[in-house]
Order: sequence, then C-alpha cells, then structure tokens
Amino acid sequence: EDQVTQSPEALRLQEGESSSLNCSYTVSGLRGLFWYRQDPGKGPEFLFTLYSAGEEKEKERLKATLTKKESFLHITAPKPEDSATYLCAVQAAGTASKLTFGTGTRLQVTL
Amino acid sequence: NAGVMQNPRHLVRRRGQEARLRCSPMKGHSHVYWYRQLPEEGLKFMVYLQKENIIDESGMPKERFSAEFPKEGPSILRIQQVVRGDSAAYFCASSPSDDYGYTFGSGTRLTVV
Repeated sequence: EDQVTQSPEALRLQEGESSSLNCSYTVSGLRGLFWYRQDPGKGPEFLFTLYSAGEEKEKERLKATLTKKESFLHITAPKPEDSATYLCAVQAAGTASKLTFGTGTRLQVTL
Repeated sequence: NAGVMQNPRHLVRRRGQEARLRCSPMKGHSHVYWYRQLPEEGLKFMVYLQKENIIDESGMPKERFSAEFPKEGPSILRIQQVVRGDSAAYFCASSPSDDYGYTFGSGTRLTVV
C-alpha cells in the first residue's frame, strides 16, 4: 500500500528563518510527487509536480526536491503569508490519477 | 476563468437524511475526483470519474455512497442515510487529463447532527 509521511507535523518560524519540510514515501512505481498548499477553510492549491529523482522546481521562496525515498520543500526567508498547511502526495504508476496524501505540515511564520 | 465550483459550501443534515454535494469542474476539464478530509487526517481518495463513466471507485464506502458525472451538468456525490461519522470536508478536483495535476475546489463541509 502506498504511504506518505510528512514531518514535522507543525513548524513555527520567524520571518526570514529558512527551513525545510520533509515528505517520505513508499510507492509501487512513482508516477509523480505533488506538493500542495492548503489555507484554513480552503481547498489545496497546487504548487509543484516532481517526476524523477534529482528533479528540482522553484517558485518564489519555495523549492521542491526529490530523491528515490523522499522529497523536501525548502522555504527560503519565509514571510507571514507563507503560513499554511503544506501537503505532499504521490501518484503511483497504473493508478489512473489517484493521489495518496500525507497529513501535512502546519507552518506558521511570525514577525 | 472560474475554478472548480463546489456547492453548497456548508451542509447540515440530520442522521438518516440524504446529502447531495455538487461539483462543476473547470472549463475544459473532463476528469473529476472526489476526496474526503476528516479532522486531523489527510485527504483520502474516494472516486475518479469522467463524463458518464466511473473510472476508479476504490475509495468509496461500499454502502450509502454514490457518485455520478453526467453528460450535462455537475458531478454529484450522494450520501444516503448519513451518520455522524460522515461529517467531514469533501473536496472535488478536476483536470484536463489523467496526466496532469489537479485543481481543487474549496470543498463542502458536511456536518451531521
């Protein structure tokens, strides 16, 4: 069974204090790994898709990387508006688009 | 360019009633997915549909739950004879193909009293 474990469960940073979120996964043939951001009371907002080990993608203060067993979401010099829950999900080969999600990391960035 | 539209945003039902959740995908998207998010749990896949077809319903409970995506109109997730354990946020997502990332709606929060 495909599994996704995210750590830490919660993270509190000061503005400008860079850090990384971890997503460990086990999947029978990775088709894609996805990062989403979810604000309270809203649906997940797509951030990145990574397909193969060694791949990296960046968007503003966020950078996602992928290895054969885990993915990291690096947050550089975060701002309070980066506060949200960050979700990681995997799509296994042959599962017709079904995503398996982790429980997320709740990030709070304070002034 | 409207996103994925879900309604209602909030739905309260008494135990034993039926709940109908609606989802209109983004324009040009023919693939629809339903997920459920229980408090303190991750999003769980329920069902994947294309127009008039259920492609994967491996996450749907065997009883009381059904989903459809008709040729015309929104996708509907139907829960019959609701119980307290059905209280959750239900999210719909759509994509233009199964080879593409999803766009999620804002969800329907179902409360069973």
